[in-house]
Amino acid sequence: SAVISQKPSRDICQRGTSLTIQCQVDSQVTMMFWYRQQPGQSLTLIATANQGSEATYESGFVIDKFPISRPNLTFSTLTVSNMSPEDSSIYLCSVAPGLNQPQHFGDGTRLSIL
Amino acid sequence: GQQVMQIPQYQHVQEGEDFTTYCNSSTTLSNIQWYKQRPGGHPVFLIQLVKSGEVKKQKRLTFQFGEAKKNSSLHITATQTTDVGTYFCASNQAGTALIFGKGTTLSVSS
Repeated sequence: SAVISQKPSRDICQRGTSLTIQCQVDSQVTMMFWYRQQPGQSLTLIATANQGSEATYESGFVIDKFPISRPNLTFSTLTVSNMSPEDSSIYLCSVAPGLNQPQHFGDGTRLSIL
Repeated sequence: GQQVMQIPQYQHVQEGEDFTTYCNSSTTLSNIQWYKQRPGGHPVFLIQLVKSGEVKKQKRLTFQFGEAKKNSSLHITATQTTDVGTYFCASNQAGTALIFGKGTTLSVSS
């Protein structure tokens, strides 16, 4: 399966600031996704990162708060903007090499906002 | 869209006992995928089931997909302390992201 490198692995940030999370894959993948996992909860899909076009956001998530880039088939970024304590979560990058292929996850970014 | 309901939320067993988690949907699923997340870790893919009535085994783990493709189960025989973690079922339509169940957190005492 693809090797997914996500960074930073963790960070502690001040409220009102923004943080950009990077996801690098060692091979070209068709689909890349960003998830949020709040403490003790399941994974919630934030958006699908589309190569060369705007990301597709799920209900409850907006581009102004979570801008996403995907300049090529191996790389994506997620920015968490104007952070508040409610944004404290694990953010996970996930990829699927092709249609009907299983999704695999990066190690996640553990984000705490003070 | 697709939603998967998963029960139980928590399960504690003695080492050596069996464990089962169940996943249900009100709609027919294209597939079901199972993941394990260890404490402090990220979800790790275990298996994918796509066929009606499919049964797959991985050592002590048995995965089933219902005949109607609306339910699935993961059964662990003779649990070990290394089985501790949260088990998630998830499903998607072709070309879309996985939607996850709420997960079942398994604890094992020796």
